[in-house]
Amino acid sequence: AQKVTQAQTEISVVEKEDVTLDCVYETRDTTYYLFWYKQPPSGELVFLIRRNSFDEQNEISGRYSWNFQKSTSSFNFTITASQVVDSAVYFCALSEANYGGSQGNLIFGKGTKLSVKP
Amino acid sequence: DAGITQSPRHKVTETGTPVTLRCHQTENHRYMYWYRQDPGHGLRLIHYSYGVKDTDKGEVSDGYSVSRSKTEDFLLTLESATSSQTSVYFCAISESPPGLWGDTQYFGPGTRLTVL
Repeated sequence: AQKVTQAQTEISVVEKEDVTLDCVYETRDTTYYLFWYKQPPSGELVFLIRRNSFDEQNEISGRYSWNFQKSTSSFNFTITASQVVDSAVYFCALSEANYGGSQGNLIFGKGTKLSVKP
Repeated sequence: DAGITQSPRHKVTETGTPVTLRCHQTENHRYMYWYRQDPGHGLRLIHYSYGVKDTDKGEVSDGYSVSRSKTEDFLLTLESATSSQTSVYFCAISESPPGLWGDTQYFGPGTRLTVL
């Protein structure tokens, strides 16, 4: 069955520390997509990144980077030199291509709450 | 930002009353979704629509119904609200299911519903 696990419920760091948010997924499909969303204290959900199962290249966008490893079914998110504005709940999500059980819809992890203290 | 609005943004109601939440989009996307967000559960899909008058159930559809009479509007109805339906409700849109081409789902601002 498809599943997304974000084992870290809450993380607290001090500004300028690097922090990695873990995401482990389960799927039987060979074609799938992984997403990260950010939910700041204001409550909206902001799309951060999408990755397909055939592209294992790591992605870097400013202070954000993502490490996709099919061998360990993980899609981890690292924030370098964290800032207070990074404080948010971060969600990892999976969608499968063959409509096996999820009709191509998103399956979300339960989220990791990141608190960055000054 | 994707043009998605939700109304109302906040609502307090009493157990047993009907409630309708509205999602409106200006992007002409075919797919629309309703999620609920609860502490410890992340986001869970309630219902989704793949076209006008075409809807299907999600993971937590009991106690909810939906309707889509126009491309731009997707309504979520709680026929008889219960306290367990106190939650934050998010609408989302996408051009196709994320699993098909990896299309991104974009989310509305959310509606905070409290059922007393």
